[in-house]
Amino acid sequence: AQKVTQAQTEISVVEKEDVTLDCVYETRDTTYYLFWYKQPPSGELVFLIRRNSFDEQNEISGRYSWNFQKSTSSFNFTITASQVVDSAVYFCALSEASYGQNFVFGPGTRLSVLP
Amino acid sequence: NAGVTQTPKFRILKIGQSMTLQCTQDMNHNYMYWYRQDPGMGLKLIYYSVGAGITDKGEVPNGYNVSRSTTEDFPLRLELAAPSQTSVYFCASSYILNPNYGYTFGSGTRLTVV
Repeated sequence: AQKVTQAQTEISVVEKEDVTLDCVYETRDTTYYLFWYKQPPSGELVFLIRRNSFDEQNEISGRYSWNFQKSTSSFNFTITASQVVDSAVYFCALSEASYGQNFVFGPGTRLSVLP
Repeated sequence: NAGVTQTPKFRILKIGQSMTLQCTQDMNHNYMYWYRQDPGMGLKLIYYSVGAGITDKGEVPNGYNVSRSTTEDFPLRLELAAPSQTSVYFCASSYILNPNYGYTFGSGTRLTVV
């Protein structure tokens, strides 16, 4: 069965610190997709990134970077030089290619960036 | 494009009342989903649809019903509201499981049952 674990419930950092949000997933499919979404205090879900299981290249987008490691079933998210605007709940999610409806979310990590 | 539109944004219901949460997408997406998000929790799948006329249960379907008469619309019906249904409801859609496409979420409906 699918499962997404985000062991860090809450993280607090001071502005300009780097922070890594952990995500560990379980799936029996060989083809799957991993996602990160941001939910700011306003409540909407903001798409950040999508990776497929065949592409293990790490990705960097500005201050954001993602480390995908199939060997450890992890898809970690790092924010470099954090800013107050990064304060939000971050969700990792998994979708198996053979079951499109099974888009499973982790419980989320609440990140607070203090000035 | 408007994307995924949910109405209403907020609603307070009394126990036993019924209501329909509306969800419309204008992206011609095949797949549509309803999720609920309880305080401090991730999202749980209520129902999903892979196309017009086809719906199926997700992880937490009890107390809800859906229909998908058109590609664009996927309303969620609560027949007898209960306090346990107090939550934020998100509708989402996706085209196909193509890595170039993702899931688009609506802005959510915050429902309180008192």
